[in-house]
Amino acid sequence: EAAVTQSPRNKVTVTGGNVTLSCRQTNSHNYMYWYRQDTGHGLRLIHYSYGAGNLQIGDVPDGYKATRTTQEDFFLLLELASPSQTSLYFCASSDSRGYTQYFGPGTRLLVL
Amino acid sequence: QQKVQQSPESLIVPEGGMASLNCTSSDRNVDYFWWYRQHSGKSPKMLMSIFSNGEKEEGRFTVHLNKASLHTSLHIRDSQPSDSALYLCARGTNAYKVIFGKGTHLHVLP
Repeated sequence: EAAVTQSPRNKVTVTGGNVTLSCRQTNSHNYMYWYRQDTGHGLRLIHYSYGAGNLQIGDVPDGYKATRTTQEDFFLLLELASPSQTSLYFCASSDSRGYTQYFGPGTRLLVL
Repeated sequence: QQKVQQSPESLIVPEGGMASLNCTSSDRNVDYFWWYRQHSGKSPKMLMSIFSNGEKEEGRFTVHLNKASLHTSLHIRDSQPSDSALYLCARGTNAYKVIFGKGTHLHVLP
């Protein structure tokens, strides 16, 4: 099964702080995704990428930047964190066919 | 505007019973449907996919798709307590940009 890892697993920051969430996949998948999961909203796509240097806008991109540095690594950046960004963040990857997305274990972020 | 509607929000079935979950897309330009399962405290895992009209069966799980009505359903027969989870329906106009529904919480009582 595809392996996707995320770090950190838990993060607490203050309003206005900088946060970087990391994701690595070791399955040579082209596509990588960042989602947030909130009660009452389900899973929502923030950004995604189909290769190193590429970035595509998702459905809820405001307040988030992302960067795909290599095929394996995808980062989500919150430059001025706000309490509304308190959430559970998942990274996922899929191959070129995209038929199955493989999710990482998630990062729980709390913005005070 | 919710583009993927799932019902019911919560479902309780006895062990050994049949669970039926529904999902409808409000976007007609949809070719792909998936069902993901997320156990409590875990990440979502793809359970089944269906891209053509009709029915697909894998073990105790059966998925139906009616593209004309943009409706898919997941049926779990002989439900087990280990099936208790959040079931997420997802749809896409391509295989890459996928929209998830809010999910159905399934509780299987021993």
